Amino acid sequence: DPKIIQKPKYLVAVTGSEKILICEQYLGHNAMYWYRQSAKKPLEFMFSYSYQKLMDNQTASSRFQPQSSKKNHLDLQITALKPDDSATYFCASSQEDWGSAETLYFGSGTRLTVL
Amino acid sequence: DAKTTQPDSMESTEGETVHLPCSHATISGNEYIYWYRQVPLQGPEYVTHGLQQNTTNSMAFLAIASDRKSSTLILPHVSLRDAAVYHCILRVSSNTGYQNFYFGKGTSLTVIP
Repeated sequence: DPKIIQKPKYLVAVTGSEKILICEQYLGHNAMYWYRQSAKKPLEFMFSYSYQKLMDNQTASSRFQPQSSKKNHLDLQITALKPDDSATYFCASSQEDWGSAETLYFGSGTRLTVL
Repeated sequence: DAKTTQPDSMESTEGETVHLPCSHATISGNEYIYWYRQVPLQGPEYVTHGLQQNTTNSMAFLAIASDRKSSTLILPHVSLRDAAVYHCILRVSSNTGYQNFYFGKGTSLTVIP
């Protein structure tokens, strides 16, 4: 069973619309993240949350807003969608025990296409 | 951004042992070296990590140079399932003191039957 659930798996949107990407983790982790991967580009770090608190934001645009209603839940709201937002969005989590065993676990991603 | 250098691609034949190199000349003393791999349409998968000593697990052997400026991920007896993009990552600190994982292009490993 997948421990990090991302929904939906595929999403098609029109330019200017708004979408919410869902992420839930059942690993008991305290930190959650969003990454984005455009076609043939490296994974790009977007946000990190720890105990539902924003720790780091490397996304220039305010159109991307994480939402954490519970510790194991981190959604990503994207407003005023543009074709350049088309990418696969990966959610990840970690224990946030910053010792030697810290490891990121990734979900299978939401593939967003903006027309 | 991640301060590692990896070859863009490598090729191997099934059953061979593959050595994936990574250069990290500016690594800090408290930065760990992590390896992840990613196959198309899936999220990255943890492979291994280390600080100074060589490490081994069921997936791979990580050899770290004594000066820590380079490392090599060694995959014994590769199969077609090992074909993936392999990422060498340093766990760096952000300006908030929080540590993040930054991914680069990685090395695309092709395994030939």
